[in-house]
Amino acid sequence: KAGVTQTPRYLIKTRGQQVTLSCSPISGHRSVSWYQQTPGQGLQFLFEYFSETQRNKGNFPGRFSGRQFSNSRSEMNVSTLELGDSALYLCASTGDHRGNTEAFFGQGTRLTVV
Amino acid sequence: QQQVKQSPQSLIVQKGGISIINCAYENTAFDYFPWYQQFPGKGPALLIAIRPDVSEKKEGRFTISFNKSAKQFSLHIMDSQPGDSATYFCAAMDQGGSEKLVFGKGTKLTVNP
Repeated sequence: KAGVTQTPRYLIKTRGQQVTLSCSPISGHRSVSWYQQTPGQGLQFLFEYFSETQRNKGNFPGRFSGRQFSNSRSEMNVSTLELGDSALYLCASTGDHRGNTEAFFGQGTRLTVV
Repeated sequence: QQQVKQSPQSLIVQKGGISIINCAYENTAFDYFPWYQQFPGKGPALLIAIRPDVSEKKEGRFTISFNKSAKQFSLHIMDSQPGDSATYFCAAMDQGGSEKLVFGKGTKLTVNP
C-alpha cells in the first residue's frame, strides 16, 4: 500500500506570494490532517478534513486554508506569505472511522519564504 | 498553552543502554497517546501507542509506561542502537473530541556506538 504522498517536497516563495501544497492520503483513508513543524513551536495542528468537510481547525490565521476533494486528496493554501511561515508542512492520513486514530505522516513539504 | 510537556530536550546514551523519554499532559479528556520517531528530512513515523485502559505496552525494544493518575507517560527504548538516533515526539489525542494530535516539543536522541 502506498504511503502518504506530499508534493512538492521543497518550495521557495517570496513574501506576499501565495502557495498551494498537495497531499494524497493512503488509499482508503478519508481523513487528512495538516500540521506545521518549526524548530521553535514544534508540531502544530492546522486543520483536519473528513469526507470533504473541515472538521477541526487549529489556531492559525485565516491566511491558512485547505480543502479536500472527493477522492480524499487534500490541498492547503497559504496566502500573503510571511517570513514566519517558513516551516515543514506535514500531512497525516487516518483511517475511515472514528476510533481508528493511527495517523500516518507524509515526508512533508519544506516551505522557505524569502 | 502547552498541553503536552516532554523531557528531556536531548538525550545521549551509549549503545546497549536504556533511553527514557517522559511526557506529561494536562487535559484529562486525552485518551490516545502515540509516540512518533522522526529522522532528518522525513515525516514522523508512528512507533507505538497506548490507550489509558492499560498501564504498559511493549513492542520489541520499545515500551510505553502510562500513569493515568499522574497524567504521565514515558517511552523506554531498551538496548538502544545507533540506528535509534532520531527525534522522538510524544502526542495525545481526545478521540471523542477534535481528534487532533497535540505534540510534545520532541527529544533528540543520540546513541553513541
